[in-house]
Amino acid sequence: SAVISQKPSRDICQRGTSLTIQCQVDSQVTMMFWYRQQPGQSLTLIATANQGSEATYESGFVIDKFPISRPNLTFSTLTVSNMSPEDSSIYLCSVHDGSSYNSPLHFGNGTRLTVT
Amino acid sequence: AQKVTQAQTEISVVEKEDVTLDCVYETRDTTYYLFWYKQPPSGELVFLIRRNSFDEQNEISGRYSWNFQKSTSSFNFTITASQVVDSAVYFCALSDRGGGSEKLVFGKGMKLTVNP
Repeated sequence: SAVISQKPSRDICQRGTSLTIQCQVDSQVTMMFWYRQQPGQSLTLIATANQGSEATYESGFVIDKFPISRPNLTFSTLTVSNMSPEDSSIYLCSVHDGSSYNSPLHFGNGTRLTVT
Repeated sequence: AQKVTQAQTEISVVEKEDVTLDCVYETRDTTYYLFWYKQPPSGELVFLIRRNSFDEQNEISGRYSWNFQKSTSSFNFTITASQVVDSAVYFCALSDRGGGSEKLVFGKGMKLTVNP
């Protein structure tokens, strides 16, 4: 299965600042997914990042708050902008193990973000 | 809309006990996929199993087994002879291709604690 590396693994940030999270995959993938896991909660999809096109955002998430880049088939970034304490979460990058949508999703180790 | 319900939020057992984690799902799709993931205290999400909607055969993998019943829209997970290392949060998830996206809808997770 794909090896997914996320940086940073954790960070503590001040309110009003922005943090960019990087996700590197060891193989080329069509789609990369960004999920959020709020404290004690389940995972919610933020957006789907396709190479060469704008990311597709889920309801409740907007590009101005969570801009995403996808410069090539192995890399993506998610920025959490103008952070508030409510943004404190684990942010996870994921890719399908295989080319099919129904192949399992594999996740990076996540970025644990605390906003003070 | 797709929905996954994990009614149990937390279970605590003693080592060697068997434990079953319940998962009930809702979908209008005729073709769909169900997944289980494990999230140990270290935070990473570990893929355990995928089952498609046309395959109702139960599956066994070591101490783990899964019971898929379309008639009750359930996909339950049993750990036999539990061990301390099984302590984790377990998520059930359902594939969702609605609106052209290809995401997983996760249940809220069930925290399993196995005590020695």
